[in-house]
Amino acid sequence: AQSVTQLDSQVPVFEEAPVELRCNYSSSVSVYLFWYVQYPNQGLQLLLKYLSGSTLVKGINGFEAEFNKSQTSFHLRKPSVHISDTAEYFCAVSQAGGSYIPTFGRGTSLIVHP
Amino acid sequence: SQTIHQWPATLVQPVGSPLSLECTVEGTSNPNLYWYRQAAGRGLQLLFYSVGIGQISSEVPQNLSASRPQDRQFILSSKKLLLSDSGFYLCAWKRAGADEKLFFGSGTQLSVL
Repeated sequence: AQSVTQLDSQVPVFEEAPVELRCNYSSSVSVYLFWYVQYPNQGLQLLLKYLSGSTLVKGINGFEAEFNKSQTSFHLRKPSVHISDTAEYFCAVSQAGGSYIPTFGRGTSLIVHP
Repeated sequence: SQTIHQWPATLVQPVGSPLSLECTVEGTSNPNLYWYRQAAGRGLQLLFYSVGIGQISSEVPQNLSASRPQDRQFILSSKKLLLSDSGFYLCAWKRAGADEKLFFGSGTQLSVL
């Protein structure tokens, strides 16, 4: 079984400031890791994913995340946020090479203030 | 290109009434299909997934059921809605056998009153 913990339910930040959204996972096997973004009243869309290879993954909209196996973390970062980044962010994990049924975290609400 | 359609976008139903939410995918064949529910502050909960026509797996016991009558059609149903069924329901698909991202529909906001 696998699980995901997003440590912060809400992260307020000022525009142009850096931000880090935290994600820790638990799994007994190798994993794939994902970050999705959800804008109000919409479905989710993929920001970035880690399947294998380089532990630093770059995604859309200037976001990046780093896979840290020893700390079982996959934190999402952006060096300078915009008002338009205000959204709900979900971390997800699935079993590598498995049936691909991802488990999602509870989400972190990023609120960017002007 | 592939698209996913989910409807209706919003739905208000009385307690005890039936439910039918529909999801269809275009531009692909034999997709894996998923129904998630998103309750406020509780993230996404996987309700059902399907790897083929007539093949439904349920992740949690509940008042809901799912069916896949056609390859690219996934239906979420209930015979009698409960207040606790309120939430945002999301349909998603991915290519079978591929460790890729999920493609999500735009969701249905269900309010049971």
